[in-house]
Amino acid sequence: QVQLVESGGGVVQPGRSLRLSCAASGFTFSNYAMHWVRQTPGKGLEWVALTSYDGSNRDYVDSVKGRFTISRDNSNNTLHLQMNGLRTEDTAIYYCVRVRSLIGESPGDYWGQGTLVTVSS
Amino acid sequence: DIQMTQSPSSLSASVGDRVTITCRASQGFSNYLAWYQQKPGKIPKLLIYDVSTLQSGVPSRFSGSGSGTDFTLTISSLQPEDVATYYCQKYNSAPLTFGGGTKVEIK
Repeated sequence: QVQLVESGGGVVQPGRSLRLSCAASGFTFSNYAMHWVRQTPGKGLEWVALTSYDGSNRDYVDSVKGRFTISRDNSNNTLHLQMNGLRTEDTAIYYCVRVRSLIGESPGDYWGQGTLVTVSS
Repeated sequence: DIQMTQSPSSLSASVGDRVTITCRASQGFSNYLAWYQQKPGKIPKLLIYDVSTLQSGVPSRFSGSGSGTDFTLTISSLQPEDVATYYCQKYNSAPLTFGGGTKVEIK
């Protein structure tokens, strides 16, 4: 069965960095695009970033452009989100999401349980 | 960027009622619209994609329709297990914006 397990969340001071990882199993990782989606506790969903199946196409929500980088390691079935210059408004649960196709512009059909990132001084 | 506005933000209905949730886009786009269900304390679940295609395993009481700027999620007969927050998402191009959510409760 499809499994997505996020890790790397925690408490970090504003301006610092954090790297999230998502270990994928139960499917051919290299055949699917992936997303990161975040949710402030008790609030709505916000799409953050996408990568195509091979990493050749990547895109971001404006609020994280230049600060966050999505990447993937298809040999190790792992998705990453490097987050630099963190701000208090980046505090959220970050979900790793498998997308229904090779390209990123597609809905997410499997979601991980999420990892909480708290940015606070 | 296209903004997605859901209405209502919350609703309360009786078991067996027909429930309709609307998602309006600030600009029209092709049929790349999905609906998700998030039950309290759970992760989101894909219900519908491409406006009206039911994801595998989703009960047939859920349906989607619409085009251009106006899209609708309908629950034909509300069940207690449908208590959740529902989100639309457009995915024609980045940013893949979600609507603000509609919380559905049982009266």
